[in-house]
Amino acid sequence: NAGVTQTPKFQVLKTGQSMTLQCAQDMNHEYMSWYRQDPGMGLRLIHYSVGAGITDQGEVPNGYNVSRSTTEDFPLRLLSAAPSQTSVYFCASTQTGYGEQYFGPGTRLTVT
Amino acid sequence: KQEVTQIPAALSVPEGENLVLNCSFTDSAIYNLQWFRQDPGKGLTSLLLIQSSQREQTSGRLNASLDKSSGRSTLYIAASQPGDSATYLCAVRRAVGNQFYFGTGTSLTVIP
Repeated sequence: NAGVTQTPKFQVLKTGQSMTLQCAQDMNHEYMSWYRQDPGMGLRLIHYSVGAGITDQGEVPNGYNVSRSTTEDFPLRLLSAAPSQTSVYFCASTQTGYGEQYFGPGTRLTVT
Repeated sequence: KQEVTQIPAALSVPEGENLVLNCSFTDSAIYNLQWFRQDPGKGLTSLLLIQSSQREQTSGRLNASLDKSSGRSTLYIAASQPGDSATYLCAVRRAVGNQFYFGTGTSLTVIP
């Protein structure tokens, strides 16, 4: 099993550009989520999904969009990048029935 | 809102010492609590998951306890080794809203 995969590993954007961070899992988990990790702030939840077609906002959703058309994929879209979105982004999937979270390797994003 | 606190923020111990990391949370209505390890520049690796009905979980030299009513969890590491050096994070899955909340972590250094 590949587990949770994320692409790209690194990305540099200019202010105002848009991009999509990809996340996929092959464990048939219903629950998937996106976090950002900033120094001194820990991981903060951006958006999450409890199944295909269902998404909801987390703690810091502004500036990000998500959709969930399949169980496997959960892309995160930045519509107009801002320097405040410079961060490390992690995708996670969770075993059905309140199980463990499994994390991807992360995407390091810099917005200049 | 759920607040998760980890104390201390950093800890340095000599090899072989037993140690305890602390995690506290403000809302006791949780489904479970999970401990992770994060190495510099890497993703999160799951260590232990404790469901809300459980008091503790063990894996090798690691033991995690949960006191839901007082909003506390501890991670006990026995006979520490230099390879245990990493940042340790706890996360709670809140029952209301079904979201995950992370602490800011404890950075552990084990000195040979």
